[in-house]
Amino acid sequence: QLQLQESGPGLVKPSETLSLTCTVSGGSISKSNYYWGWIRQPPGKGLEWIGSISYSGSTAYYNPSLKSRVTISVDTSKNQFSLKLSSVTAADTAVFYCARQSEGLYTIFDYWGQGTLVSVSS
Amino acid sequence: DIVMTQSPESLTVSLGERATINCKSSQSVLYSSNNKNYLGWYQQKPGQPPKLLIYWASTRESGVPDRFSGSGSGTDFTLTISSVQAEDVAVYYCQHYYSSPLTFGGGTKVEIK
Repeated sequence: QLQLQESGPGLVKPSETLSLTCTVSGGSISKSNYYWGWIRQPPGKGLEWIGSISYSGSTAYYNPSLKSRVTISVDTSKNQFSLKLSSVTAADTAVFYCARQSEGLYTIFDYWGQGTLVSVSS
Repeated sequence: DIVMTQSPESLTVSLGERATINCKSSQSVLYSSNNKNYLGWYQQKPGQPPKLLIYWASTRESGVPDRFSGSGSGTDFTLTISSVQAEDVAVYYCQHYYSSPLTFGGGTKVEIK
């Protein structure tokens, strides 16, 4: 059974860079057609797609609302993918989820991690 | 961007009653070349990640009870719970995957009367 697990600091200072990693177990991250995405959810609010990256890391798509601050990368040797969000503010406080898209970018998120809460505060 | 609008924001139903949640997209999410609607539904319970219920607008994910069904095409979609159970208390989200950026509806909270 595929499992995804987010990890990273739970507290980040304003103006700094938020860095999270998603470790995939129970399957290979580098299977053809897979995309791996990040989605966030501010406390008590709805879901926002941050971006997704192809299994090889060669292609990434970002939400234009965050594009200037976001980088997503893949480390196939570790079966992990990562998120970096720069210049964070309190508005970036959210639960961050990693998830899989099994047949390319334009497919549903079928497996999700449990999520990790990241607070932005000095 | 395609804007997804869900209604109602919240819904209170009695056990065993039908619940209907609507989702409207600001433009069609039907891809004409394959006649598929790029629309899915998730269920999110408190403290848990979203769980996939429905994809391609009407295909039930493996293991999802058959009381959950999806319908609609183009810009108007519906998630129906035919007979609400206590464990169905949750927030339900629609999401399109037709184009980038992928976007979600605002959510519909289902509670038991």
